[in-house]
Formats: sequence, structure tokens, C-alpha cells
Amino acid sequence: EDKVVQSPLSLVVHEGDTVTLNCSYEVTNFRSLLWYKQEKKAPTFLFMLTSSGIEKKSGRLSSILDKKELFSILNITATQTGDSAIYLCAVETYNTDKLIFGTGTRLQVFP
Amino acid sequence: GAGVSQSPSNKVTEKGKDVELRCDPISGHTALYWYRQSLGQGLEFLIYFQGNSAPDKSGLPSDRFSAERTGGSVSTLTIQRTQQEDSAVYLCASSPINRATPTDTQYFGPGTRLTVL
Repeated sequence: EDKVVQSPLSLVVHEGDTVTLNCSYEVTNFRSLLWYKQEKKAPTFLFMLTSSGIEKKSGRLSSILDKKELFSILNITATQTGDSAIYLCAVETYNTDKLIFGTGTRLQVFP
Repeated sequence: GAGVSQSPSNKVTEKGKDVELRCDPISGHTALYWYRQSLGQGLEFLIYFQGNSAPDKSGLPSDRFSAERTGGSVSTLTIQRTQQEDSAVYLCASSPINRATPTDTQYFGPGTRLTVL
């Protein structure tokens, strides 16, 4: 059974801290891994990763995929209160066009 | 234990027909979300149920879309007079949000692939 596991489930930090969110997966015919940021109800797309070892970066956010060890990390440096959200990881396979989601990591950044 | 289930897993319908998509959340989960995953559109929030509160319908794209949640458990998303642009994967997620252990952890179902011809 395909599955995606995120850790930690919840994280509380202070502004300026650096955080690392983890996403591991066990799927057949892996195609890509996606990260989303969900504030309130609407998730917004952050990154799509398909190749191992190539870091994707957007401002203070970066992500990398390890297809050998079957995981990805999402790093946020110099966190701000606006980074407070749920971060969802999803995996796409060649078997289906349905995304397989993890349960999300709830990040809370306090001033 | 049983996770979130959705039915049907695939639905093909003709333009103009009504469809009903079902979501069975994890037992005891008070919060339930519906999302739509369209090709090239990412993940789109549709509607949110939390306990006995009025649902948050802010994401429903038109009045052809409606959803209900009976008895705080099973939810049905109904699309009336389907259009081709309604073709997408419809995902349901439930969350054990409650006053004792507040958490936003979402458990996603496998989705229903809707194809409108």
C-alpha cells in the first residue's frame, strides 16, 4: 500500500529559528513529490521534486529529495510568524494521477 | 484501523448529469474537508465541516456544488449539471480536531476521479 509519512506532526518555534520538516514515502512507480503550504483552508503549491539531490529554493524555503532513501526535507530558515501553517507533502506515481498525501506538519512560529 | 474512504474511486458521467461523491471519514474525527485536484491547478479547497458548526463553503466554485455531512460522519459532495471543467480528482480529508487535543493533522482519502464527457 502506498503511503506518505510526515514528521513531526507539530512544531513550535520562535521567529528566527530554522526548521526542517520531513516527508518519507513508500510507493510504487514514484513520479514526483510535492510540498504545499496550507494557511486556513487553501493549500498553496511550494515545490515539485522529481530528481534526487537537486535543491529547489524559493526565498527562505528550500527542499531536496533523496530517491534512494525515499524522503524529502523542507527547510525554512529565519522563520517568521507568517510561516505559521500546515505543510503538506504529497507523492505522485505513474500508476495514477491521484496524489497521495501525508498528514501534514503543523508549524507555529511565535514572535 | 480504517482510514478515510471515498466512493466511487472513479466516475465517468455525461455533461449535464448530476453526480454524488461520498466520503467516510475516520470514526471520531470532527473535521472534514473536501478538496479538488485538477491537472495543472494544484490542490483547491472546496468546503470544510467542523462538528455542528455551519460549514465553511467559501471554496465552492459555483452554486452547482453542494455538500452535506449527515450525523457528523459521512459526507456527500454533489455536483449538479456537471460540466467538463468539473473533471478532476476530488479528495476528502478528516481531522481529529477537538478541544481536548487540538491538531490539524489531516488524513486524506484515496480520492474520486471524476471525468465529465
